[in-house]
Amino acid sequence: QKEVEQDPGPLSVPEGAIVSLNCTYSNSAFQYFMWYRQYSRKGPELLMYTYSSGNKEDGRFTAQVDKSSKYISLFIRDSQPSDSATYLCAHAGGTSYGKLTFGQGTILTVHP
Amino acid sequence: EAQVTQNPRYLITVTGKKLTVTCSQNMNHEYMSWYRQDPGLGLRQIYYSMNVEVTDKGDVPEGYKVSRKEKRNFPLILESPSPNQTSLYFCASSSSGGAYEQFFGPGTRLTVL
Repeated sequence: QKEVEQDPGPLSVPEGAIVSLNCTYSNSAFQYFMWYRQYSRKGPELLMYTYSSGNKEDGRFTAQVDKSSKYISLFIRDSQPSDSATYLCAHAGGTSYGKLTFGQGTILTVHP
Repeated sequence: EAQVTQNPRYLITVTGKKLTVTCSQNMNHEYMSWYRQDPGLGLRQIYYSMNVEVTDKGDVPEGYKVSRKEKRNFPLILESPSPNQTSLYFCASSSSGGAYEQFFGPGTRLTVL
């Protein structure tokens, strides 16, 4: 079983839709959960991170972590064509704050 | 401008010819890390460094070496490259003291023939 499982998609939605991206993870020791966005031919950029369970909101983006079910979610409200990218979930912490494990990434296309 | 730079950006080489990919950051970050990205496998961590002279293995360290002699630089060394090391490589750094909040470089595309 992979440490972080993510549906690779692809996911295609119309502009203005609410997008839900999800990951599951297997090791309950991790405390930091992140979402990165990667545009084609670019390095990943951090969208947001959360510590332990709970929600975090930043503009149109909301990250949610449910440690009891080992579930990580990212919601994008009022999606825009500029949101078209690959979204990667990741976790860190546990026995080493240096280790970071990514999911496979979900390819999202928002069409006008 | 705060950034992570990698050189070269593109490299084609042959099996067994030693190479070094450089990584430098100008943000005075203590933490640096290397990743490789492959289709279907996603991003996987190769090595990371929590500070100068402190390095540790990630998930796929075989065939790679690193050194951290100064804070700003974290080179990735392939002593004897093989075709299965053909990949897109990313360097990253973080001010958080750990792996979260990482800032990534632009990537190095390596082809080993």
